[in-house]
Amino acid sequence: GAVVSQHPSRVICKSGTSVKIECRSLDFQATTMFWYRQFPKQSLMLMATSNEGSKATYEQGVEKDKFLINHASLTLSTLTVTSAHPEDSSFYICSARPHWGRGNTDTQYFGPGTRLTVL
Amino acid sequence: KNQVEQSPQSLIILEGKNCTLQCNYTVSPFSNLRWYKQDTGRGPVSLTIMTFSENTKSNGRYTATLDADTKQSSLHITASQLSDSASYICVVTRGHENAGNNRKLIWGLGTSLAVNP
Repeated sequence: GAVVSQHPSRVICKSGTSVKIECRSLDFQATTMFWYRQFPKQSLMLMATSNEGSKATYEQGVEKDKFLINHASLTLSTLTVTSAHPEDSSFYICSARPHWGRGNTDTQYFGPGTRLTVL
Repeated sequence: KNQVEQSPQSLIILEGKNCTLQCNYTVSPFSNLRWYKQDTGRGPVSLTIMTFSENTKSNGRYTATLDADTKQSSLHITASQLSDSASYICVVTRGHENAGNNRKLIWGLGTSLAVNP
């Protein structure tokens, strides 16, 4: 149980195009979803937190107009990288927190990640 | 400053051997500490979680310890297998239980473990 999927797993796009990444909780409802970015040999960096039905909260330094997040349902969140540039190339990982995951343990289940390469 | 530091940065061991990874943190207020395993090109998978009152937690061949006084944790892997080759990340949650989305995960940079045959 508690499986999170991401699609696509890998995407290559040209500079200036937009790319959408989907994150789905397959067997539970996620009240909160998180989007992370990970550069080579570095740890995960939180980009934004989204609660179903409300606007995402972005971390300092993350451009909300460039990284559009939509959390339209309790099982789906999308991250759209608009006008992507080579420096946006990274490993993007989402996580989902079920309603029982709140409280002291902060349970999150991570997706397998999406490798974005911008040429 | 809220930080999580891990050592060693990388480690190579032979299959069947044991190893111990270290995590020191300066996060306050402390809520919990997790160890994650991240395979290359995959998302992290939680191995153990410990709150302030717990000082050891096992998950199969993985045993984590926590010393909340010295703010240190370790992850011990016994009888290593080739599939243990991965990055092991220590993550500390900062914030009180009722802080909602103001709770923050402070991530370590991980220890890259390679298990060789």
